[in-house]
Amino acid sequence: DAGVTQSPTHLIKTRGQQVTLRCSPKSGHDTVSWYQQALGQGPQFIFQYYEEEERQRGNFPDRFSGHQFPNYSSELNVNALLLGDSALYLCASSSAGSNYGYTFGSGTRLTVV
Amino acid sequence: AQSVTQLGSHVSVSEGALVLLRCNYSSSVPPYLFWYVQYPNQGLQLLLKYTTGATLVKGINGFEAEFKKSETSFHLTKPSAHMSDAAEYFCAVIRSSNTGKLIFGQGTTLQVKP
Repeated sequence: DAGVTQSPTHLIKTRGQQVTLRCSPKSGHDTVSWYQQALGQGPQFIFQYYEEEERQRGNFPDRFSGHQFPNYSSELNVNALLLGDSALYLCASSSAGSNYGYTFGSGTRLTVV
Repeated sequence: AQSVTQLGSHVSVSEGALVLLRCNYSSSVPPYLFWYVQYPNQGLQLLLKYTTGATLVKGINGFEAEFKKSETSFHLTKPSAHMSDAAEYFCAVIRSSNTGKLIFGQGTTLQVKP
């Protein structure tokens, strides 16, 4: 049974560019959350998607946007990249009635130069 | 506002020694509490969680944690450290009234010396 799959695993972008990260949730999960983990820090909540809608959002600017598809997979988009956006981006999936049984992917390492 | 404080960014123990990683939280409503482990270049793996019921929670790999409401603590312990336990450990909290936003501590790096 595949867990959470994220792609790509590594990415290098230039300041000002746009990036799209992808996440396929664990089989049976319908909720996807995205986190940003800067080097040496704990993950920070970006937003959560359920039933193709953003259900909750953390303290991130509008440059960060997302989408959830009918098959529950999700994308994270970041526009106008800044050097400070360099981080590990983690996707976590869960089932709405699962008592907080989150499964995390291995993440996408984004480097902005 | 909720917050999570992990006391000690680095903890070093000898193989076979007791592991104790400290976590304190602040929450205005009853929280759900979690411990995750992260190995280099990997995502987060759930060690254990407390939602309701018994306050002593047993997790994977011999780890356990005790929810102490009076002390607002959720410390992680393991009686005997293995070399394979060397990793980054994160304590996290969710408000029981929340739809699922995990708030993480800064993390504690566990070093296990032979």
